[in-house]
Parts: sequence; structure tokens; C-alpha cells
Amino acid sequence: DSGVTQTPKHLITATGQRVTLRCSPRSGDLSVYWYQQSLDQGLQFLIQYYNGEERAKGNILERFSAQQFPDLHSELNLSSLELGDSALYFCASSSSLWDNEQFFGPGTRLTVL
Amino acid sequence: KNEVEQSPQNLTAQEGEFITINCSYSVGISALHWLQQHPGGGIVSLFMLSSGKKKHGRLIATINIQEKHSSLHITASHPRDSAVYICAVRVAGSARQLTFGSGTQLTVLP
Repeated sequence: DSGVTQTPKHLITATGQRVTLRCSPRSGDLSVYWYQQSLDQGLQFLIQYYNGEERAKGNILERFSAQQFPDLHSELNLSSLELGDSALYFCASSSSLWDNEQFFGPGTRLTVL
Repeated sequence: KNEVEQSPQNLTAQEGEFITINCSYSVGISALHWLQQHPGGGIVSLFMLSSGKKKHGRLIATINIQEKHSSLHITASHPRDSAVYICAVRVAGSARQLTFGSGTQLTVLP
């Protein structure tokens, strides 16, 4: 158990819908990262927050947004969902802003029908 | 060309064998990570390296910065080592976070 929790574990929804994925980092970790793992693209970095502020952006679509709240939990919002958004979404946390071991949550499997 | 290349893509070994998985990268990096992804999907961080060598139990990771190459070794392999092993790098001087290799599927047969 990494100490990082993600909810829900599974999510099935339809195209055009909006969903919110939630992540609680390990106690004391200030950095939260979101990753997408799809069959054709592999693992990709989406976005990083550190102590409530966005610090790095990767291959995140404009239809996707995230935020980190004062209690350090984070949410990833996915809207206008398409079939291609079906993937595993992982959250990870670390104690510092840059190079440090990252602890991964169990992931949320999103299926868009 | 991908910035991070792993080989082999698939590897089948007999229990007890010594295993090596390779990772090559084409950019300057500040750190390299080895991750393990279990069949259920969960990801575990095995090592983070910026130089030299690290050992944890039966796992050893090495990195050669000049050659832009890292290896993950598993000694006395066991069926429970069966998983996907993923190499990831953080590009030096970049605000981007990890860039991932495509993974190596390891199957250890009893």
C-alpha cells in the first residue's frame, strides 16, 4: 500500500459526459501528479500540482482540468468525453517539487462507451 | 524516435534465472526511475537513480550517464517477479515530469 488513494476504482460513462477523479496523496506529500495510461499511448504525464499550485503540464487535453485543494487532495476533471479517453488514470505523490521518488495510487479505470 | 527505449519488449525466463532489462534514452536527464506494474495495474516505484548503482533485495539498478543507459537486474528470479517493468526519465532543465518507456513484460515460469 503506497498510501495514495484514488476514487473511484472503476468508472463507466458515455461519450460527451463529464467525470471527476479524486486523489488523496500520502500524508505529508505536497506534490501530486496525474498520469494517463492507454493501450496505444502507454503512460503519459498529464499535470503536476505542488502545494495547491500548478507546476508542470504535460500532454493534457484542453477538455481536462485539475486542481489541488488546501487539504492537498486533488481532482482531475474530464469533460466532453470521447471513446479515446478510455484509460487508466494514475495519481502519484511525492514530498518535494522535483526529483524525488513518486508513490502511485491504485488508479481509476475509465471506460467511455 | 522515442526519447526512452526499453529492451526487450517481452522476456520469458525460468525461475532462478538472472534477468536484465535495458533502458536507453536520448536526452540529458536529471533522474531515471524504474517502476513495476503488476497484472492488476498497480504501479510501484522500484528505484530512482541519478548516478551509479542501487540495490534493494534481489533487484539492482545501474545507470551510465555518459552512455545514456540504465539496466535493471533481477537475481534469482521468481514467478512473483512477473510484471511489466517501466523505465522513466525526467529531462534535465525541463518543467515536464516523467517521460516513460513502453515497458518490458517479464514472465517468470516456475
